[in-house]
Formats: sequence, C-alpha cells, structure tokens
Amino acid sequence: DADVTQTPRNRITKTGKRIMLECSQTKGHDRMYWYRQDPGLGLRLIYYSFDVKDINKGEISDGYSVSRQAQAKFSLSLESAIPNQTALYFCATSENREYRNREQFFGPGTRLTVL
Amino acid sequence: GESVGLHLPTLSVQEGDNSIINCAYSNSASDYFIWYKQESGKGPQFIIDIRSNMDKRQGQRVTVLLNKTVKHLSLQIAATQPGDSAVYFCAENAGGTSYGKLTFGQGTILTVHP
Repeated sequence: DADVTQTPRNRITKTGKRIMLECSQTKGHDRMYWYRQDPGLGLRLIYYSFDVKDINKGEISDGYSVSRQAQAKFSLSLESAIPNQTALYFCATSENREYRNREQFFGPGTRLTVL
Repeated sequence: GESVGLHLPTLSVQEGDNSIINCAYSNSASDYFIWYKQESGKGPQFIIDIRSNMDKRQGQRVTVLLNKTVKHLSLQIAATQPGDSAVYFCAENAGGTSYGKLTFGQGTILTVHP
C-alpha cells in the first residue's frame, strides 16, 4: 500500500550492530504496528501503538524497541542485531474507531539479514 | 487448508476452477476475521472480512464462510485466475482489550496453473 512506506526496503548487517527500520504513513491512522514474518510462518506482532503516547509490547518484543515520533511515524530498532532476527518486517496501520472495520494496511516490508 | 501452529499448506488449482482455503482459529472470543492476500515481495493486502454475527459474506469473486461452532473460517475464490496466486492468511481479533490486535494464521500458498 503506497500510503504506508518503509525504509530501507532491504538491509544486510552484522551481528551486534544497531539497526533502525522506519515506517511512515499518510493515511491519518492513529494505530501503528510492527510485525515480523519468517518463512513458513504468519505475521507475529512485535510492538504496537494506538496513539503517539501509547506503546505496547506484542508477542515477540524481546530484542526490539520502538519509537512513535509522530502520528505518522513509527520506528523499530534492533539494539544489537542477532542472526535469528533475520526476517521480513512489516509495518501496518489501522483506524481508531471501534465500530469500524479492524482492517490493517500494510507497508511493502523490509527484508533484514543479520550475518 | 490452514491452521495456526501447523505447516504451511499449499493448494494448486487450474485456471477457472473454484478455490477453497480453510483456516481454523482457536480463540472462541474472536469476533472479527479478515482474509489477506500476500503476493511475492509485497505486504499483505486486505481481501474480505466478516464479523461473528454473520455466517457468510460475499465480495467480488470471493466469499468468506464462518462456522463459529467449530471455529472454522474459509475463503472461496470463484473462477480462480493466475493473478490469484499468492499466500493467503486469515487473521482474527477478539475485540475488547484485544481490540486492534490481529492474530494471523500461518498462511496457505495458492498456485493457479494456466
């Protein structure tokens, strides 16, 4: 979805390096999410944010941190990358209206390789 | 079909056939379900959703069926086309304090042969 952009699209790094993945959205959504996807697996939630002042851990937050710099920006950091963090990372957004659809809109993904 | 926790299944069909992709969910409190399509190199894309107060919902060439008794969801694609080849994920949400958090299944690979 062109309304949700992720940078970089591909990144190769070494064990121990600090890495930041960035996500920006022009959809005006309050809610933003970070997922990782591994081969043969679905998407697993790392962190999510329901507004600028709200940050919540997902099911696999260990080794990751996030920052919600603005409504439109949500970044994911790997403080000290390790090889098993090699994966495809997706950012997503959704509206903040309980009785609307809970559809999430995904960015194109960042492929991260940790050597 | 697909079930959270099992290996990624595959489905191969001929162009023009109908496809049925299955998904079993585990949370009986889930009241909202979505099907996503993910093409190679892209993020998941919304196909269709259904709330738990419905058994069936139709879109363009797609139908989602929900059986809450056995916690089963299916996606039917009519007249499947090569462009339908992708990985299909179901996702569920329980609302309440879980509102906004989707739990994804592991996906089914659909391959459509011309």
